[in-house]
Amino acid sequence: AQSVTQPDIHITVSEGASLELRCNYSYGATPYLFWYVQSPGQGLQLLLKYFSGDTLVQGIKGFEAEFKRSQSSFNLRKPSVHWSDAAEYFCAVGGDKIIFGKGTRLHILP
Amino acid sequence: GAGVSQSPSNKVTEKGKDVELRCDPISGHTALYWYRQSLGQGLEFLIYFQGNSAPDKSGLPSDRFSAERTGGSVSTLTIQRTQQEDSAVYLCASSLAPPGYSSSYNEQFFGPGTRLTVL
Repeated sequence: AQSVTQPDIHITVSEGASLELRCNYSYGATPYLFWYVQSPGQGLQLLLKYFSGDTLVQGIKGFEAEFKRSQSSFNLRKPSVHWSDAAEYFCAVGGDKIIFGKGTRLHILP
Repeated sequence: GAGVSQSPSNKVTEKGKDVELRCDPISGHTALYWYRQSLGQGLEFLIYFQGNSAPDKSGLPSDRFSAERTGGSVSTLTIQRTQQEDSAVYLCASSLAPPGYSSSYNEQFFGPGTRLTVL
């Protein structure tokens, strides 16, 4: 069965600092991986996705993620966060269907 | 073009009543998902429709929950004898799937959700 784990429920970083949000998945074959962001009171927005090919994927808003098969991970990164990045971030894995993690809430300190 | 729409946007009901939530996917999208979002629980998968195949109902939490998709388009999620723990935002998503291929790799487009409150 496929599953997704986001080990950090909350993360707090200072504005301008770098960010890494962790995501680990379980799936028997090559998965399709996604990161979504949900701002307060807003719907889900796709940040980036990995299907195949280059394991470093670029997304919108300056985000990137790296697929590491050996670690079953797809961590999301951003070199310098902005206050507007405060939101909840969801990792998702697509296999037989698309399953989401429980999310990581990102807080930004001024 | 039009995105995924859901109705109603908000639903308040009394415990024990039945509710129906509607999802209109993007035209031409063959895959349709229902998720439930509760505080601290992320997006809980409920059910997945793909074309004319039998739906994947593995995420439905109890037999009080059911869903159907008519004509490969509109879907209705029905919750019978609602309980307070059913209170959540119910999200629908659709994706485009080429014929003959699993759609699980396709980008999902989400609706705005229906906020259900069971008193």
